[in-house]
Amino acid sequence: QVTLRESGPALVRPTETLTLTCSFSGFSLTAAGMSVSWIRQPPGKALGWLALIDWDGDKEYRTSLKTRLTISTDTSANQVVLTMTNMDPLDTATYYCARTVGATRSNNYFDTWGQGTLVTVSS
Amino acid sequence: SYELTQPPSVSVSPGQTATITCSGDKLDEKYIYWYQQKPGQSPLLIIYQDNKRPSEIPERFSGSNSGSTATLTISGTQTLDEADYYCQASLGGVVFGGGTRLTVL
Repeated sequence: QVTLRESGPALVRPTETLTLTCSFSGFSLTAAGMSVSWIRQPPGKALGWLALIDWDGDKEYRTSLKTRLTISTDTSANQVVLTMTNMDPLDTATYYCARTVGATRSNNYFDTWGQGTLVTVSS
Repeated sequence: SYELTQPPSVSVSPGQTATITCSGDKLDEKYIYWYQQKPGQSPLLIIYQDNKRPSEIPERFSGSNSGSTATLTISGTQTLDEADYYCQASLGGVVFGGGTRLTVL
């Protein structure tokens, strides 16, 4: 059974750096074609993809946030970490991690999602 | 940047067919995916690669993709299908549509 669980602070101050951890089980990120992504959803708004990391360490970032995002993995611990710098109240959202499948960049999609973690940015 | 456009809302009567569209430039050259999200829940994959259903998804959900429009069709809509629906494409990065709220009444 594939499961993912997000963890991290519920509240961050403006200008601080957010660090979120995705702990997963039921699959290996070293398996060919496997990836993990981060997606966020501001309250009452649409989903927005942020970043993904592949089984071979390749990474992709949302162009508009690329300078603020870093995605990394600890394959031995089955964890993927996302950091986002210079947090702003507009970054308030539920942050999801999701198992990402598809052999090519034109075929990536999310077959299993975590339950999400709400991050509020406020002073 | 590439955009996917969905109608903000669709209404349907129980038992009728609901149609939710997703529009984008040369959309049929890309695979489209659909997710269902109920209030307070995580999104759920319901259609992948335009028209394939995960095994646990009911047959009343179907998808198509032609020209510049992809369509999610829900046949015999039930009240439990009331949710937000998102289309998604992958083109290097990943793009989601703005979502469609389906109301069943």
